[in-house]
Amino acid sequence: RKEVEQDPGPFNVPEGATVAFNCTYSNSASQSFFWYRQDCRKEPKLLMSVYSSGNEDGRFTAQLNRASQYISLLIRDSKLSDSATYLCVVNPPGSGGYNKLIFGAGTRLAVHP
Amino acid sequence: DAGITQSPRHKVTETGTPVTLRCHQTENHRYMYWYRQDPGHGLRLIHYSYGVKDTDKGEVSDGYSVSRSKTEDFLLTLESATSSQTSVYFCAIRSGQGGSNEQFFGPGTRLTVL
Repeated sequence: RKEVEQDPGPFNVPEGATVAFNCTYSNSASQSFFWYRQDCRKEPKLLMSVYSSGNEDGRFTAQLNRASQYISLLIRDSKLSDSATYLCVVNPPGSGGYNKLIFGAGTRLAVHP
Repeated sequence: DAGITQSPRHKVTETGTPVTLRCHQTENHRYMYWYRQDPGHGLRLIHYSYGVKDTDKGEVSDGYSVSRSKTEDFLLTLESATSSQTSVYFCAIRSGQGGSNEQFFGPGTRLTVL
């Protein structure tokens, strides 16, 4: 079982739609969680950190469910510019202070007019 | 903008040749990382550094070495490139602000080994 698993998609949605991605992680003691966005042939860029209480940034909402070991990302009112691959990232225990992150393979989102 | 540059941005080389990729940062971050990204895989950690001359292996370190003689530069070397090392290589820094674990990435180097 992979340490971080994501549905690769693609998720094809119309503009204005609400779309949600889930990501599961295998190590229940994982401590930090993030969503990154990656455009085609570009570097990953931090979208948001995921806190235990959940967090929201504009149209984006991230939630953490420790009991079920999954993280979710909800995008409301999708824009064409949201088309990208979304990477789920986990900081597992045992990496000490070195912050050795584990990346999912990504979920591709395509927003169409 | 985390002030990270990578060079070269693209490189084509032949099997068996040595290759060195450079990561340069301008903001004096202590932690630096090298990842590779391949289709169907998440980014995988090759090596990381927690200070000048302090480096350690990551998940996929075989065939790679690193050096960090200055805070701002982190070099990744393929001693004898193989076709399996064809990949996109990303360098990252850890911001560390407020104890944060967030990492920020350079623009990547696309390496092809023929």
